[in-house]
Amino acid sequence: KQEVTQIPAALSVPEGENLVLNCSFTDSAIYNLQWFRQDPGKGLTSLLLIQSSQREQTSGRLNASLDKSSGRSTLYIAASQPGDSATYLCAVRTQGGSEKLVFGKGMKLTVNP
Amino acid sequence: AAGVIQSPRHLIKEKRETATLKCYPIPRHDTVYWYQQGPGQDPQFLISFYEKMQSDKGSIPDRFSAQQFSDYHSELNMSSLELGDSALYFCASSLVAGGPWYEQYFGPGTRLTVT
Repeated sequence: KQEVTQIPAALSVPEGENLVLNCSFTDSAIYNLQWFRQDPGKGLTSLLLIQSSQREQTSGRLNASLDKSSGRSTLYIAASQPGDSATYLCAVRTQGGSEKLVFGKGMKLTVNP
Repeated sequence: AAGVIQSPRHLIKEKRETATLKCYPIPRHDTVYWYQQGPGQDPQFLISFYEKMQSDKGSIPDRFSAQQFSDYHSELNMSSLELGDSALYFCASSLVAGGPWYEQYFGPGTRLTVT
């Protein structure tokens, strides 16, 4: 059974810092991994999708890397801003079955001005 | 570009009532997934449909049922509602025929509050 872990559960940093968010998963037989952002009480905003054959994906100040063999992904946020404050979730699409997404519990990020 | 549509966006029900949530996938997508996100929790997979047939089932209570119709929209029916059913319910759609690498696209969610 796939399990996804995000540590730490919360992070508070001053504005301008470069951040690394970690995600680990137990079953390396995945198709892809997605990083989402969720504001309080709101929906899921997809940030980056990285396929199992890829090593990294970039969008603006965000960069996601994937090391499938070791079951790890990182989301790098450059020059953090208060507007980046949100919960960040990673989810993996595991091979077999309906290829549903299995989510981590998320990391709550607070960027202080 | 068209996105996944969910209705209603907010729903308030009393205990023991029934609720129906609707999901309209992106045009030409053949698969629908339902997820439940309780307060402070991560989204949990409930059920999925591919080409109108149930393709997978997660931790969905027996009080819940769902189906996908000929136009590919899906409905999640919830009966004998309990306080613990209060959650955000997300629908996602995908194109399985496009390969398992195809992204799942999420709707804005329906917030169900049971009082």
